[in-house]
Amino acid sequence: AQSVTQLGSHVSVSEGALVLLRCNYSSSVPPYLFWYVQYPNQGLQLLLKYTSAATLVKGINGFEAEFKKSETSFHLTKPSAHMSDAAEYFCAVTSHVRSNTGKLIFGQGTTLQVKP
Amino acid sequence: EAEVAQSPRYKITEKSQAVAFWCDPISGHATLYWYRQILGQGPELLVQFQDESVVDDSQLPKDRFSAERLKGVDSTLKIQPAELGDSAMYLCASSRLAGFQETQYFGPGTRLLVL
Repeated sequence: AQSVTQLGSHVSVSEGALVLLRCNYSSSVPPYLFWYVQYPNQGLQLLLKYTSAATLVKGINGFEAEFKKSETSFHLTKPSAHMSDAAEYFCAVTSHVRSNTGKLIFGQGTTLQVKP
Repeated sequence: EAEVAQSPRYKITEKSQAVAFWCDPISGHATLYWYRQILGQGPELLVQFQDESVVDDSQLPKDRFSAERLKGVDSTLKIQPAELGDSAMYLCASSRLAGFQETQYFGPGTRLLVL
């Protein structure tokens, strides 16, 4: 069964500083991994996804993530934080139980705070 | 840009009452998902539709929850009777096809408060 663990429920950075949000996955098969962002009282917006084409995945708003099979990790980074990046971030993996299902299994989320 | 529509955005109800949520997926998307997100947690799948058929409802509390997608387009999720523990955000998502590589696009959600 697939699962996702996000290390750190709350991360605080200064504006302009590096953002690093950690995600580790567990999967018995090659995983498909996603990062979503959620602003208060809104739905989830896709930041980026890994589908085995390339280990370094670039997403929207300057975010990127690197798939490391040896570490079972898919950490999200951004070189310079902006105030507008303050939100909740979710890492997710899709279930491979059946090929016709696309169930997303989410981590608990990480709240990113950006200080001026 | 096409979006997933949901209504209402907010719903307050008393326990034992019935509530219903509506979702209109992106046009042409065959697969529709309902997730529940409890405050402070990640979303969890309640039910997945492929066209009008249920593909996965293993996590749907069937004694009180029901979902339908009669014409394979929009969908309704119902709770009857509502309980205090049902307070959560209910998110609808759609994807072009079913499958673990497909991107799911989420609507703005319906926030439910049960008093």
